[in-house]
Amino acid sequence: ETGVTQSPTHLIKTRGQQVTLRCSSQSGHNTVSWYQQALGQGPQFIFQYYREEENGRGNFPPRFSGLQFPNYSSELNVNALELDDSALYLCASSPESLRQAGYGYTFGSGTRLTVV
Amino acid sequence: AQTVTQSQPEMSVQEAETVTLSCTYDTSENNYYLFWYKQPPSRQMILVIRQEAYKQQNATENRFSVNFQKAAKSFSLKISDSQLGDTAMYFCALPIQGAQKLVFGQGTRLTINP
Repeated sequence: ETGVTQSPTHLIKTRGQQVTLRCSSQSGHNTVSWYQQALGQGPQFIFQYYREEENGRGNFPPRFSGLQFPNYSSELNVNALELDDSALYLCASSPESLRQAGYGYTFGSGTRLTVV
Repeated sequence: AQTVTQSQPEMSVQEAETVTLSCTYDTSENNYYLFWYKQPPSRQMILVIRQEAYKQQNATENRFSVNFQKAAKSFSLKISDSQLGDTAMYFCALPIQGAQKLVFGQGTRLTINP
């Protein structure tokens, strides 16, 4: 069974630009969550998608948006990039059966975004 | 507010030694899970061990065990017979809002020296 795949692995963008990060969920997983991990910090919840609908959002501005597709893969879009958006962005998927259990998440290896 | 606090930014021990990582948390829920995740240089978060709050018995997974003190809201991780491959960042995490999101601590960087 394949795990969670994120692309690209590294990305450098200029302040003010827009970026799209991609995540392929593990086979059979219909829930995808996105986290932002600043250097030396723990991950912070951005939002979660369940069956193509946003299912909860953390304390992030509207310029952070997302999509989930029928195959349960997902995108994270960030508009008007700021220097503080530089971080590791982690995607995690989980199966329906464990969605409300809090475990069963499979994390990807993340996308390292640098904003200059 | 539901929070997770790890007060040890870095720890270092010799191979084969035992090390304990500390975590305290705050939640208003009565039944919940607690997790320890490992993040090696590959950056992927890996679940090490989980504890269900209603279970009095501390969870154990091979060399990894927890000391769960519900009243004190403390959840420490003990690694026995530490190995070089245990070198990583370790995060304590609490699922909240119906397990919709995980709240992570700040992490502890653990280094196992040969």
